[in-house]
Amino acid sequence: AQRVTQPEKLLSVFKGAPVELKCNYSYSGSPELFWYVQYSRQRLQLLLRHISRESIKGFTADLNKGETSFHLKKPFAQEEDSAMYYCALSGWSGNKLVFGAGTILRVKS
Amino acid sequence: GAGVSQSPSNKVTEKGKDVELRCDPISGHTALYWYRQSLGQGLEFLIYFQGNSAPDKSGLPSDRFSAERTGGSVSTLTIQRTQQEDSAVYLCASSLEISGANVLTFGAGSRLTVL
Repeated sequence: AQRVTQPEKLLSVFKGAPVELKCNYSYSGSPELFWYVQYSRQRLQLLLRHISRESIKGFTADLNKGETSFHLKKPFAQEEDSAMYYCALSGWSGNKLVFGAGTILRVKS
Repeated sequence: GAGVSQSPSNKVTEKGKDVELRCDPISGHTALYWYRQSLGQGLEFLIYFQGNSAPDKSGLPSDRFSAERTGGSVSTLTIQRTQQEDSAVYLCASSLEISGANVLTFGAGSRLTVL
């Protein structure tokens, strides 16, 4: 079974501080991991996925299969990063996408 | 269409009534998902349609919930005999479902309030 755990419901940081949103997963096959973001009054949208190995809006995430983690990081938080962040998991065969409970990120000025 | 459309955007109903929520996915997207978003529960998977395969209904919380997808396009989520705990935002998403690129495009959601 697929399972995604985001241990923090709320993460509050000051502008300019580093950010790390934690995500751990459980899956017996080869996982595909994603981060989705929902800004205030906007639709849920893809932020980044591990196969792309890209940095989006300064965010990066590395898949660590040994620790079964896919933490989202940004070295210097900005106020516009405030949003709800969801980690998500699917298998390579295109099965369903399962989300974690989400973490609210608040960046204070 | 240009995106995933959901209707109604808001629905207020009385406990015990049936409701239908509609989703119109992006044209050509073979996969369609329903999720429920509520405070404290995060994004809860409900059901997943992929092409002509049997849907994955493993997330439906009770037999009061059902969904269908007609002609591989529009989907309707039906909740019978609504309860107050059904109050939530119901999100629909679609994707091309190319293996290894399971990127979902979400609709704006249908906010259901059961009084």
